[in-house]
Amino acid sequence: QSALTQPPSASGSPGQSVTISCTGTSSDVGGYNYVSWYQQHPGKAPKLMIYEVSKRPSGVPDRFSGSKSGNTASLTVSGLQAEDEADYYCSSYAGSPYVFGTGTKVTVL
Amino acid sequence: QVQLVQSGAEVKKPGASVKVSCKASGYTFSIYHMHWVRQAPGQGLEWMGRINPSGGTGYAQKLQGRITMTRDTSTSTVYMELGSLTSEDTAVYYCARDGGNHGDYDYWGQGTLLTVSS
Repeated sequence: QSALTQPPSASGSPGQSVTISCTGTSSDVGGYNYVSWYQQHPGKAPKLMIYEVSKRPSGVPDRFSGSKSGNTASLTVSGLQAEDEADYYCSSYAGSPYVFGTGTKVTVL
Repeated sequence: QVQLVQSGAEVKKPGASVKVSCKASGYTFSIYHMHWVRQAPGQGLEWMGRINPSGGTGYAQKLQGRITMTRDTSTSTVYMELGSLTSEDTAVYYCARDGGNHGDYDYWGQGTLLTVSS
């Protein structure tokens, strides 16, 4: 199972929006509505930000939203804030094994 | 509150084995799958495998034959053992609870650094 493809980097100014893509295949992203997104700050464990494509866990700001079209899922962060600067990873259920994305570093300019 | 507390950092020589523990608390241990994920220095997340409530396991193909996951319901602890270590196994190892049994990792351990060096 190959890793899902994400852009290496994305950036935006405070208050702007940034969208990160996550491209897989019909065997993972396209085949199931079980795409998750994780935020990871340096030296910390990842944190679940979106699950089942577009659902937000309790406590995650509504500035974070997820969507999917075909084999590509997306995470949008609206109203960028300094604390949003982090690495972001997507993940998809694929039966078994499970698979992560390659990761995207988001920089707040 | 849900907590996953992992065992401490390890230093191993090439060819050795390591066993990392993850003690869960604050929820019904017997309901949820547990996964292990690792992250090499400066690299992304890599799924290693999972263990379900009945003890059934599934592993990443590249680790088959070297990895074993077990769980002890009496202590709410899961274990991940990795053998035939090489320098490429140097990484931070995380346990993560699967909140929906479809790869939604809603709680994570603090991570265990494994260093493999001669």
